[in-house]
Amino acid sequence: SAVISQKPSRDICQRGTSLTIQCQVDSQVTMMFWYRQQPGQSLTLIATANQGSEATYESGFVIDKFPISRPNLTFSTLTVSNMSPEDSSIYLCSVDTNGADTQYFGPGTRLTVL
Amino acid sequence: GNSVTQMEGPVTLSEEAFLTINCTYTATGYPSLFWYVQYPGEGLQLLLKATKADDKGSNKGFEATYRKETTSFHLEKGSVQVSDSAVYFCALRAPYALNFGKGTSLLVTP
Repeated sequence: SAVISQKPSRDICQRGTSLTIQCQVDSQVTMMFWYRQQPGQSLTLIATANQGSEATYESGFVIDKFPISRPNLTFSTLTVSNMSPEDSSIYLCSVDTNGADTQYFGPGTRLTVL
Repeated sequence: GNSVTQMEGPVTLSEEAFLTINCTYTATGYPSLFWYVQYPGEGLQLLLKATKADDKGSNKGFEATYRKETTSFHLEKGSVQVSDSAVYFCALRAPYALNFGKGTSLLVTP
């Protein structure tokens, strides 16, 4: 398995501002993923982030709104830009344990936009 | 495309009752299948998985069998406890990211 930490764990932000969420893994992993869990809903994949290449976004998510960095094999950031109340969600990063066909999740960042 | 359908909740059971949460999937090929659990106020944890047809995943008394013929991966537990109260998500992996069902909330009462 992998130990994953996220910062911040929660935040309350004003409309129109941006927040950058950090995801740190205790081992080198090839694939990292960012998901969103809206209140009372399931998880939806935002993008896949591989080191050394641009993130791949799912339908309905765009780079201008959710820019992602992946500077090395243990770290990634997701920025939620120009926030609105509809962005209030839990944002989770997950990693693919190399060759083990299992994804492990970070604790999540609970974002509230006022 | 790939999708997962799981039974709607909430499910309320008495302690020691038998639990079944239905999950069916649509996918091309043979995806790996997973059950994740989210306890109140906590993150998402892997509960069990199965990677090929007829595989049975098991953990903490929970079981699920990968049924290719019915495209199902139903979660079962013979005797639930209050501590099993959580939201359970069925998911498939194809090829890299996970597709989740909507989640089933389980409440176990003493």
